[in-house]
This record gives sequence, C-alpha cells and structure tokens, in this order.
Amino acid sequence: GAGVSQSPRYKVAKRGQDVALRCDPISGHVSLFWYQQALGQGPEFLTYFQNEAQLDKSGLPSDRFFAERPEGSVSTLKIQRTQQEDSAVYLCASSPRDSLNTEAFFGQGTRLTVV
Amino acid sequence: AQSVSQHNHHVILSEAASLELGCNYSYGGTVNLFWYVQYPGQHLQLLLKYFSGDPLVKGIKGFEAEFIKSKFSFNLRKPSVQWSDTAEYFCAVILGSYIPTFGRGTSLIVHP
Repeated sequence: GAGVSQSPRYKVAKRGQDVALRCDPISGHVSLFWYQQALGQGPEFLTYFQNEAQLDKSGLPSDRFFAERPEGSVSTLKIQRTQQEDSAVYLCASSPRDSLNTEAFFGQGTRLTVV
Repeated sequence: AQSVSQHNHHVILSEAASLELGCNYSYGGTVNLFWYVQYPGQHLQLLLKYFSGDPLVKGIKGFEAEFIKSKFSFNLRKPSVQWSDTAEYFCAVILGSYIPTFGRGTSLIVHP
C-alpha cells in the first residue's frame, strides 16, 4: 500500500490481557515511531526505530510496554497485562531518512479500549 | 526537555473568518517545525513544514505559517476558513533527536 498501515483499527481488551499492535510502514522508510494519543491530547512519543535498531524507548510508560522491528520493516507494539490507563489511540509513523529534514507519515492508529 | 505549546485548545469560527493558531516551543537551537492536521476519522497529515530559508511557509489548502525565531513561534494562519477546515491541528517540532514532539492540539470548528 501507499501509506502506513496499522492493525487492528480497534481493539477491546479485558484488564490484564496482553495485546499486540502491528504497524506496516511505507516501504523503504528507515525511521519508525510509535506514539500514544489520549483523548483530547496530542501524540506522546513512545519509542523510535532506525531500521531494526531501537534507538530510543524513553517514552514507554512502563516495562509492560515492549516494541520490536526485527527486520527493519514491520513493527509490533506489545502491551502486557493491560490496565485501564492504557486506553488510548496508538499511532505509528515512518519517515524515509534518519535526518532532521524529513517529515513523518502517520497511520490511522489503533484505538485500544481496556475494560 | 523540549516542549511545544499550543495556546488555543478550542476555536470556533464562521466560514470566511480568518484563522491564526499559536504555537511556541521551548528550545533555542536549530529546529524543524511542522503543522499537521487530522480531519475527522482520518490520519494525521502534513499541512506544512519549515526546515530553513524563507520563514514564511506556504502549505496545502491555503494555509501558511511564519517562523519567528526571536519569539520561538510558528503560528498557523489562513485568511478565510471553510467548513471543510474543521479538524484537529497539531504543531510539532524536531530537534537533534530526530523525534517529532507534538503540542496538545487545537480543535477547530467552522460553522457554515
């Protein structure tokens, strides 16, 4: 596809359940970002990959959150033992280069609701 | 740590009114600046960007923004809004970490 694709679009999880969110970036894009967006707020940075290397995970809110991009393309964000405060839209973005002078292209997000 | 402030969280305008949304950032070094828009039910899309050069940047759909270094600002403007401009608008900044940092957004409602 032409854009960043995320799946599922919607996920309802029971508290304590593990979830996995998938991101297919634009083909060939070097950089990949995960963001968390709460209702009425802007995207908050979670983690950043350059190819398969996770260069920054400073935004992950707890050790229940884990992200990987093993082959430098598709990425998965995993949340273990979900809590209600994890309910948010999770956004994935990719960009073609690892430089400052480039924009990020966003997917439509996965809306996670923990009940 | 860098931060991005958007002063107006909710703006309501009538069609043909002029728009200005404020954005300030806290870092004093070299910055790259962006405005993104999110239409209802759609993904974040780039409106315009500033990397260097002319501080007045023109984007899509008649939007423009002006980078004022002395004020650490990058305000978004449009002379005459349309109903179709109803959306969420986000200012973002990239510094040396390559990671875009976003403001909390402004919800714009344009009445026909």
